Amino acid sequence: AQSVTQPDIHITVSEGASLELRCNYSYGATPYLFWYVQSPGQGLQLLLKYFSGDTLVQGIKGFEAEFKRSQSSFNLRKPSVHWSDAAEYFCAVGPLANEKLTFGTGTRLTIIP
Amino acid sequence: DTGVSQDPRHKITKRGQNVTFRCDPISEHNRLYWYRQTLGQGPEFLTYFQNEAQLEKSRLLSDRFSAERPKGSFSTLEIQRTEQGDSAMYLCASSLSGTRTGELFFGEGSRLTVL
Repeated sequence: AQSVTQPDIHITVSEGASLELRCNYSYGATPYLFWYVQSPGQGLQLLLKYFSGDTLVQGIKGFEAEFKRSQSSFNLRKPSVHWSDAAEYFCAVGPLANEKLTFGTGTRLTIIP
Repeated sequence: DTGVSQDPRHKITKRGQNVTFRCDPISEHNRLYWYRQTLGQGPEFLTYFQNEAQLEKSRLLSDRFSAERPKGSFSTLEIQRTEQGDSAMYLCASSLSGTRTGELFFGEGSRLTVL
């Protein structure tokens, strides 16, 4: 069965500091991986996705993620966070045929001045 | 606004009552998904439609749950005889098949509170 693990429930980072959110997946076929962000009162928004090719993918808002097949990981990074990045971040895996995604439990990001 | 819209945004009901949620997807999207999100958890897949056909249902979708998309546009999710365990955020999302983007466009959700 497919699954996604986000080991960090809550992370606090100072504004301007770098960020890495961890994601590990278990998937029986070629994984298609996603990071979504959920801000309070707003719907989930896609940050970036990995289907194939270059294992370092760029997304919106200055985020990037690296796919490491050997580690079954797809960690999200940002070199310098902004206060507006405070939100809940979800990693997800799914098939190419449709968007029936399996989400992780999320990581809540708090930004301090 | 041409995004995914859901109605109502918040519903409070008593146990045993029926509730219905509506979702209007992005107009050109032919796929429509329902997910459920409980506190501290990520969204969980419930069901999805391609046009008017319901292609897959999760085991989470008990017999008390029914979803429709009669004309391939808006969709409704009905919960009969609600239970306190049904309290959750019900998320609707849409996508366009064939684009190979895998991107879901989510609505803001309908929060259900069962007393």
